[in-house]
Amino acid sequence: SQQGEEDPQALSIQEGENATMNCSYKTSINNLQWYRQNSGRGLVHLILIRSNEREKHSGRLRVTLDTSKKSSSLLITASRAADTASYFCATVVTYGQNFVFGPGTRLSVLP
Amino acid sequence: NAGVMQNPRHLVRRRGQEARLRCSPMKGHSHVYWYRQLPEEGLKFMVYLQKENIIDESGMPKERFSAEFPKEGPSILRIQQVVRGDSAAYFCASSRGGPDQTQYFGPGTRLLVL
Repeated sequence: SQQGEEDPQALSIQEGENATMNCSYKTSINNLQWYRQNSGRGLVHLILIRSNEREKHSGRLRVTLDTSKKSSSLLITASRAADTASYFCATVVTYGQNFVFGPGTRLSVLP
Repeated sequence: NAGVMQNPRHLVRRRGQEARLRCSPMKGHSHVYWYRQLPEEGLKFMVYLQKENIIDESGMPKERFSAEFPKEGPSILRIQQVVRGDSAAYFCASSRGGPDQTQYFGPGTRLLVL
């Protein structure tokens, strides 16, 4: 399986609900970053969390990192229809600088 | 401050032709990365370049694909003798370098091989 794998692969929720996406990885990392991709568009950087951090917030986003379990979660609170997109986690391994992306979670927020 | 620019946004080629994809990094960024994304999949790393140097090309197919980032001008991803399987979205990202640096992505070039 891949270095970064998001779970679930697809998620549908109602507007106003919270959405939680998880990411697991295999090797030691320097940092983990979450990106969003709207259909047919490029990736937009959301948040970076370093390997020595456990939690980070940015607006309605909350990211956690558990290096002992090699996993991270992205929580979007009070979701909006505009949050509909694919969300990817990307890891930077400690020995290099290249991103390894997971297959993504496709989030649909229904109005 | 313009973001990462990629052109063309869409490119149609017939089998056997060459495809040239261009990427201009953000101002002040000297590190460029190329990724390929197949439909409904995540991005796959292809190559990492700094000015005039290929740092890591471990994700590049061994044949037909090449990349450069000259001292002047954009980075170029070149695909020779394209085949249908090359149809994908190709994204370029740039950063200032270093493991903590965020990579900023361009809008991508969607290549369709007929």
